[in-house]
Amino acid sequence: DAGITQSPRYKITETGRQVTLMCHQTWSHSYMFWYRQDLGHGLRLIYYSAAADITDKGEVPDGYVVSRSKTENFPLTLESATRSQTSVYFCASSESWRDETQYFGPGTRLLVL
Amino acid sequence: GQQVMQIPQYQHVQEGEDFTTYCNSSTTLSNIQWYKQRPGGHPVFLIQLVKSGEVKKQKRLTFQFGEAKKNSSLHITATQTTDVGTYFCSFSGSARQLTFGSGTQLTVLP
Repeated sequence: DAGITQSPRYKITETGRQVTLMCHQTWSHSYMFWYRQDLGHGLRLIYYSAAADITDKGEVPDGYVVSRSKTENFPLTLESATRSQTSVYFCASSESWRDETQYFGPGTRLLVL
Repeated sequence: GQQVMQIPQYQHVQEGEDFTTYCNSSTTLSNIQWYKQRPGGHPVFLIQLVKSGEVKKQKRLTFQFGEAKKNSSLHITATQTTDVGTYFCSFSGSARQLTFGSGTQLTVLP
């Protein structure tokens, strides 16, 4: 049971480049989430999705784009990476909104030079 | 929007000592969750509290939800080195979003 996976696990890119972080879950969970984690800020929600083709902004969506064409995948794209987007990115999923237990992926460590 | 204040930010304890972290909100929460994140790892769900005054235990961990549902605590009895990590509280606010506290980083000295 793979659960929830993220790729790549580590990424170094340059300012201005487009970067896509992948998230895949095998549970068929309806809800999926993207968070970023920075020192001093804890976990902050970037975007979330309630189902395929339904996405919504979280607390810090600027500079990010998401899509969800299939239930199991929820890619996060940085359209033009900036140094302030250097962070650890976590994808998470939950079975339903009533069940607020979220299952996190292992994270992607992104460095923008 | 709703926020929680989590204290302390850091805590160093000697192995065998107890540890407590608190989450405080200025508004009533519908529920609260607790997560643990080991160094270099990802957050792992520990428990959810929903009822006013609720107390739940998991081995050496005791979780409480305040009577007014504005605060919560996580208490670890007789800490072990395996307890090292950051403990986060979270709650579901409006718009179906989880908001996380800033976390308490626990260091256990052997």
